[in-house]
Amino acid sequence: DIQMTQSPSSLSASVGDRVTITCRTSQDIRKYLAWFQQKPGKAPKSLIYAASSLQSGVPSKFSGSGSGTEFTLTISSLQPEDFATYYCQQYNSYPYTFGPGTKVDI
Amino acid sequence: EVQLVESGGGLVQPGGSLRLSCAASGVTFSGHYMDWVRQAPGKGLEWVGRSRNKANSYSTEYAASVKGRFTISRDDSKNSLYLQMDSLKTEDTAVYYCVLNVVANDAFDIWGQGTMVTVSS
Repeated sequence: DIQMTQSPSSLSASVGDRVTITCRTSQDIRKYLAWFQQKPGKAPKSLIYAASSLQSGVPSKFSGSGSGTEFTLTISSLQPEDFATYYCQQYNSYPYTFGPGTKVDI
Repeated sequence: EVQLVESGGGLVQPGGSLRLSCAASGVTFSGHYMDWVRQAPGKGLEWVGRSRNKANSYSTEYAASVKGRFTISRDDSKNSLYLQMDSLKTEDTAVYYCVLNVVANDAFDIWGQGTMVTVSS
């Protein structure tokens, strides 16, 4: 199975900050990586797929980059609604695996 | 608007069975891959398994942790996905989400609200 790590595991930030989350995989997954946002008690929401493709309706302050084994999710200007937990997921090979999550709080 | 609604969760004893359903609306169901993802209380996300579309013979994939115990099926005429869970263990306790892949086969773009399964004696 492909192992996923995320860093940091949590971070504290302020409104207006630029935030970057890193996801690393144990094997080369080319660009088969997605990012999700989850708020407490809610279902995850898809933000990005194919490492850098923004899902429809997701604001452009979210961006993704990377390929191979290292990927980043960047939020250009953090807003109150962005405080949540963020997960990466590889879909290069089965079983699909998720990262452990990065909690972003104030 | 595309919507997924899961049902069938509840409390079950270890070794028991449960069948979850996921009903889709606002979309032509048959052309899409669908997945189940679960989340144990206070934990992260775990992919459970997938049903491919009719064009790919409705073939399935499973996580090792559920293979041989869980079975994914679908009824395109009812726009519904199912998860038959047998030989349940306490570690299967989680919120179960169904996921519809619309934009691409691995987009994971539409999620249901989830249904809670508790395995306990």
